Amino acid sequence: DAKTTQPTSMDCAEGRAANLPCNHSTISGNEYVYWYRQIHSQGPQYIIHGLKNNETNEMASLIITEDRKSSTLILPHATLRDTAVYYCIVRDSGTYKYIFGTGTRLKVLA
Amino acid sequence: KAGVTQTPRYLIKTRGQQVTLSCSPISGHRSVSWYQQTPGQGLQFLFEYFSETQRNKGNFPGRFSGRQFSNSRSEMNVSTLELGDSALYLCASSLEPPGSSYNSPLHFGNGTRLTVT
Repeated sequence: DAKTTQPTSMDCAEGRAANLPCNHSTISGNEYVYWYRQIHSQGPQYIIHGLKNNETNEMASLIITEDRKSSTLILPHATLRDTAVYYCIVRDSGTYKYIFGTGTRLKVLA
Repeated sequence: KAGVTQTPRYLIKTRGQQVTLSCSPISGHRSVSWYQQTPGQGLQFLFEYFSETQRNKGNFPGRFSGRQFSNSRSEMNVSTLELGDSALYLCASSLEPPGSSYNSPLHFGNGTRLTVT
């Protein structure tokens, strides 16, 4: 079973920040949080990952709470091309499997 | 650097046939994993290979098999196809083996869409 829970869907106005939450309350101390997104008919695209510190790259920022039980992916200025399903994943430290949940369907509105 | 390449992009097969899908990982990546994606079940892990050895396996029947070659390229095979095998099959590669402390992310190809009629 997936180790994360995410809202099923979210809307965001173009140009505004999109904040996508993820709960991972059973995360272990050495397990990373990964974010991917999937645009229809394409493979999932890697966005960012982190362990406990906040991370930023050219695509997004990842904020992880101090207790590591939840995180938020931030797309600072959402565009129509950011419309996709966003997956938050914790890789199981025992089996090393990436277990995908159902993700959040983000719709960026013009 | 070229991304993960999967061939063919689309495939139509008949029930009972078998199919082989191919995946070329990103240059330098030695770990390859396969996923099945369907509207009802989402993304499900099939198996993972590193250095030509299967390191991890998901909960799929024995009709699903795979292998990895010395150049890290991988193939997966599905025998005795069923209608329920219609799906998008995704291959992903990563730099590090399973269990590595480096936690390199997966990089996915765009998949092979298999339709079984």
